[in-house]
Amino acid sequence: DIVMTQSPDSLAVSLGERATIHCKSSQSVLYSSNNKNYLAWYQQKPGQPPKLLIYWASTRESGIPDRFSGSGSGTDFTLTISSLQAEDVAVYYCQQYYSTPLTFGGGTKVEIK
Amino acid sequence: EVQLLESGGGLVQPGGSLRLSCAASGFTFSNYAMSWVRRAPGKGLEWVATISGSGDNTYYADSVEGRFTISRDNSKSTLSLQMNSLRAEDTAVYYCAKDQEEGGDLNYFDYWGQGNLVTVSS
Repeated sequence: DIVMTQSPDSLAVSLGERATIHCKSSQSVLYSSNNKNYLAWYQQKPGQPPKLLIYWASTRESGIPDRFSGSGSGTDFTLTISSLQAEDVAVYYCQQYYSTPLTFGGGTKVEIK
Repeated sequence: EVQLLESGGGLVQPGGSLRLSCAASGFTFSNYAMSWVRRAPGKGLEWVATISGSGDNTYYADSVEGRFTISRDNSKSTLSLQMNSLRAEDTAVYYCAKDQEEGGDLNYFDYWGQGNLVTVSS
């Protein structure tokens, strides 16, 4: 199984400041034949289902604000919120879809400082 | 508009059974793989099972293999999860989720249901 490790577990950021979340996979999720990283990011607010933010490690889902960006390749990935807004308070998860079982990171809780 | 409406959750005793359903609308149901993902209290997301668009292929997490069965009725645009031999550790909110990629089997999820709480307790 591919283990997804997120860091930090939680972080508090001032409004308008940058928030950075890291996700590391226990093995590469880069598929060499198409040069794509099989990595997605989700946002989950209390009482709501998860919401897709990013797929293929860096492709923003339609309707997602451009303050959200994904980067990285192979085993190390980053989700960046460039200017934190109040509505971004949530838990964020990475997910690999390179192989079964599909696995998620443990989540990172983002709060306002 | 894509909608996924879940039903069937509730309280069940250990060793009991429960069936979850997810009614889909707003897209060509048979063209997309569908999955169940759960979130136990105080924990993160856990993938449970996936079924291909045709229903020919199914995939399960080790934690539920042999106890849970995922199925679909493409004529009714409905996804189901039959859960048998339930354990306390199966207590969670269960979400049905739609693959974004048409025709694929194991991908990422662009639409999720609101979630259905399953509580396994005596």
